[in-house]
Amino acid sequence: AQKITQTQPGMFVQEKEAVTLDCTYDTSDPSYGLFWYKQPSSGEMIFLIYQGSYDQQNATEGRYSLNFQKARKSANLVISASQLGDSAMYFCAMRDNRDDKIIFGKGTRLHILP
Amino acid sequence: DTAVSQTPKYLVTQMGNDKSIKCEQNLGHDTMYWYKQDSKKFLKIMFSYNNKELIINETVPNRFSPKSPDKAHLNLHINSLELGDSAVYFCASSLRTGLYEQYFGPGTRLTVT
Repeated sequence: AQKITQTQPGMFVQEKEAVTLDCTYDTSDPSYGLFWYKQPSSGEMIFLIYQGSYDQQNATEGRYSLNFQKARKSANLVISASQLGDSAMYFCAMRDNRDDKIIFGKGTRLHILP
Repeated sequence: DTAVSQTPKYLVTQMGNDKSIKCEQNLGHDTMYWYKQDSKKFLKIMFSYNNKELIINETVPNRFSPKSPDKAHLNLHINSLELGDSAVYFCASSLRTGLYEQYFGPGTRLTVT
C-alpha cells in the first residue's frame, strides 16, 4: 500500500540558513510522482516541486530542490537561504499510476526565526 | 486570474442542514478533486472526476454527493450535516489523470454547530 511519512512535526530554523524537510514513501508501483506543497497560515495550498520516479536528475525550482534517493525511498525538500516568508506547513505527497490517488504526509510545520 | 476558485470561503451552519460548495477551474484541466483537511491538518482525498466522470470515491458517506456539470466545475453537496463534517474542504485540478501536479483552490472552511 502507498504510504508517505514525514517524521518532523515541527522545525525551527534561523533565517538565511538552508532547511531540509524529510519525507519517506512506500509504493510497489515503479512509476510514481512525488510532490511538495506549502500551506502558509492563510490556508491555501501552493504547489512547490515535482519529482518523477524515472527522472534522472533531482528536481529544482528556484530556492527549492528535491533530494531524491530512490533506493532509500526518500524525497527530502531542501530550501536554500530560508526567508521569513517560508514559515508555513509543508506537505510531501505521492501519486502512482496504479490508482491515480494522491496521498499526503502529515506535514511539517516550519518556523523561520529572524 | 484565479486558477481554481471555490465559493463560499466560509460556511457556518447547523447540524442537519444541507449545503453546497462550488468549485471552478479556468486552467483547461481535465481532472478535478475534492479533499478534506481535518483539524490536525491531515489532507485526504474524497472524490476525483475526469472529464465529468467519477474516478475516485474514497469511502465517503453518501451524504456527500459531488456533481460535475462540465469539466471546469465540480460542486460538492452535503446532506444532513454533522458536527464531524467541520473541516476545510479543498477543490483541486490537474491537467489529466496520471503523474501531474494538482492546483488547489483557496479552501472552504465549514463549521457545523
